[in-house]
Formats: sequence, structure tokens, C-alpha cells
Amino acid sequence: DIQMTQSPSSLSASVGDRVTITCRASQNIDKFLSWYQQKPGKAPKLLIYTASSLQSGVPSRFSGSGSGTDFTLTISSLQPDDFATYYCQQSYSLHYSFGQGTRLGIK
Amino acid sequence: EVQLLESGGGLVQPGGSLRLSCAASGFTFSRYGISWVRQAPGKGLEWVSAISGSGDTYYTDSVKGRFTISRDNSNNMLYLQMSSLRPEDTALYYCARDLLPSGSYLYWGQGTLVTVSS
Repeated sequence: DIQMTQSPSSLSASVGDRVTITCRASQNIDKFLSWYQQKPGKAPKLLIYTASSLQSGVPSRFSGSGSGTDFTLTISSLQPDDFATYYCQQSYSLHYSFGQGTRLGIK
Repeated sequence: EVQLLESGGGLVQPGGSLRLSCAASGFTFSRYGISWVRQAPGKGLEWVSAISGSGDTYYTDSVKGRFTISRDNSNNMLYLQMSSLRPEDTALYYCARDLLPSGSYLYWGQGTLVTVSS
């Protein structure tokens, strides 16, 4: 099965900061990579699909890039609502898999 | 409006069985793959199982042979039959619908909690 590794596992940042989260796949997954935001007690919310496509309704400060094995999620200017946990997910193989998550906290 | 509503969770002893259900509405159910994703308390997301619109099934290794996913396209229902349950199966179980053709999960239910404990 394809393993997804996110880094860092946690980070602290301030409102207005630019933040980048990295996701690495254990093998080539082309562009079959999604990013989710999850807040406590809530279901995950889809932010980015096919590595760089912004889901409708998601603020443009979120962007995704990458292909093959290395991917990034960038938040250009952190807002108070962005403090949450972020997950990547591959859908290249028939056995999907998630990264372990990145907890984004307030500095 | 797409809705997914899970039910069937509860407390079960190790070695026991439980059947989860997911009632879907607001879309043509038979056209989409549906999955179960779980989240242990305080932990990350784990993909568990998926079933295509045509009925092909897929499982993560840790549940293969113990869990069975199925669907009833005439009643817009998804099921997960869980047997030989272990404490490590304790989690909130979500059903989630594919965003074709990317395989992303755009729609999620609210989850149903399964607790495996004696």
C-alpha cells in the first residue's frame, strides 16, 4: 500500500504568516492528491483536489502544488479560522490512504 | 443537497460484531463510490474500505477478512458489517462520497462511534 508522510507533524504560526505543509508519497501517485482541513468535533473539509485544484468555496489563500511523490499545501496569509489539523490523501491506488496529519496551532 | 447519515455505532465487547449503516440522499447513489473512513480518539484519519458504484470492494489490510462493505442501490444505503472486533477498531466511523474522477471526498457524514471494550 502507498504510505503518505506529512511534515511537520505540528507547527505554530501567527495570523498573517505564510505556512507550507509537505506531503510525500512512498511511490508515484501522479496528481491524485487531496488536502483536507479538520476542526475538533467536525468532519474533514475538502480544500484541494488533484494536487492543485481549489474546491469551490475555499478561500484563495489556500493553494496546492506538486506531482509524483512530493506535494505541498500553502496558506498564503493565515487567518484565525485556519488553525486546525490538515491531512493529505492519495487516491491513485484503489486502497486510498491519508497522511498522519499536521496540527497548525497559534503561536 | 447531498446528505450522508451514519448509524449503528455503539459499545461492543472484543470479538463481537456490529453493522454500521449510511443513508445517502441528494445524488444518484449508484453512480458513486462510497467509503468508510475512521478516526480513533485523538488520532488521524484512516481509510477503511470502499465500494464502487458497480460493487467492487476494497479493504485496508487490518480489517480484511473481518469487515464486509456492501451497498443497496435501490434504497441508497451503504453498510459495513464488522466482526471479530478488536479494541483498536474503536473509532468514529465516517462514510464519505467520492468526487469523481479525482477520488477526493467532498461529502462526509457526521460519523458514528464504535467502542470495543470489555
